[in-house]
Amino acid sequence: DSGVTQTPKHLITATGQRVTLRCSPRSGDLSVYWYQQSLDQGLQFLIQYYNGEERAKGNILERFSAQQFPDLHSELNLSSLELGDSALYFCASSVDLRGTDTQYFGPGTRLTVL
Amino acid sequence: AQTVTQSQPEMSVQEAETVTLSCTYDTSESDYYLFWYKQPPSRQMILVIRQEAYKQQNATENRFSVNFQKAAKSFSLKISDSQLGDAAMYFCAYRSGGAQKLVFGQGTRLTINP
Repeated sequence: DSGVTQTPKHLITATGQRVTLRCSPRSGDLSVYWYQQSLDQGLQFLIQYYNGEERAKGNILERFSAQQFPDLHSELNLSSLELGDSALYFCASSVDLRGTDTQYFGPGTRLTVL
Repeated sequence: AQTVTQSQPEMSVQEAETVTLSCTYDTSESDYYLFWYKQPPSRQMILVIRQEAYKQQNATENRFSVNFQKAAKSFSLKISDSQLGDAAMYFCAYRSGGAQKLVFGQGTRLTINP
């Protein structure tokens, strides 16, 4: 158990819908990362937040957005869902921004878009 | 942009034997970190081992060790005394010293034969 929690574990929805994925980082971790794992794209970095502020953006679609709240939990919002958005979405957290900091991954949320 | 390549989509090894998984990366930076993550059937991403580029000594964690060849930009993972629980997807990952996002390879599926 990494200490990072993600809810829900599984999510099944229809095209065009909107969903919210939730992540709670390890106690004391200030930085949160979101990654997407799909069959065709592999594991890709989406976005990073540090202490409530967006820090870095990767291959995140405009239909996707995220935020980190004062209690440091984070939410990833996916809207106008398409079949291709079906994937495993991981949240990871690290203590700070030092290069030596390790990212610990949550169990992931499996999103299925029908 | 940095890239990570794992040229072996699948590998298999007999239980108790040794296996080496290959990884190469491309970067122009001098400050970076390399990682091996394990993803068992549960889909959890588990950190196996980490190597700082500035360290010449190869990292070791119990039965897991790396062969870090900086000039060749190679970072292989050796698993000694393979166990059934080592069966998983293994991902090589790169992280710049100046950024926090992980760049992953395509993964190698490791099968352990009893």
